[in-house]
Amino acid sequence: DIQLTQSPSFLSASIGDRVTITCRASQGISSSLAWYQQKPGKAPNLLIYAASTLQSGVPSRFSGSGSGTDFTLTMSSLQPEDFATYYCQQLTTYPYTFGQGTRLEIK
Amino acid sequence: QVQLVESGGGVVQPGRSLRLSCAASGFTLSSYGMHWVRQAPGKGLEWVVSISYDGSNKYYADSVKGRFTISRDNSKNTLDLQMNSLRVEDMAVYYCAKDIAVSPPYYGMDVWGQGTTVTVSS
Repeated sequence: DIQLTQSPSFLSASIGDRVTITCRASQGISSSLAWYQQKPGKAPNLLIYAASTLQSGVPSRFSGSGSGTDFTLTMSSLQPEDFATYYCQQLTTYPYTFGQGTRLEIK
Repeated sequence: QVQLVESGGGVVQPGRSLRLSCAASGFTLSSYGMHWVRQAPGKGLEWVVSISYDGSNKYYADSVKGRFTISRDNSKNTLDLQMNSLRVEDMAVYYCAKDIAVSPPYYGMDVWGQGTTVTVSS
């Protein structure tokens, strides 16, 4: 199975900060990576697919990059509604594994 | 409005069965691949199974292979997950989710249900 390792697992940041989360795959996955945001008690919400394509309706402060084994999710200027848990997921090989999550909290 | 609504969760003893359903509205189910994803209490997301638009391709996580069966009825716009021989480790919130794509390669899950809770306990 392809392992996805997110770093950091926990992040404390302030409104307006620029934040980057990294997702590293145990083997190459081309650009078959998605990013999700999940708030407590809610279903995940797709932010980015194909590593860098912004899902319709997602604010432009979110961006994704990378290919192969190393990927990043960047939030250019944190807003109050961005404090949540973020997951990456690879969709190149079954099982479609998720990263362990990055919890983003307000400093 | 594009929506998925799961039902069928509940409390069940280990070894018993449960059938989850997912009703789609606002879009044509037959045009998309579909997935089930689960989340154990306090844990991360775990992909469970995927099915192509016409049901011809199904892929299961090893943890549920041989015990869970996914099916779809495109005429009724519904997706089902039959779960047999349930284990304590199957206890989770189960989400159905629509993929952006019709069939593999999939790209990501752009519409999710609200989730249905499965509790496995004696």
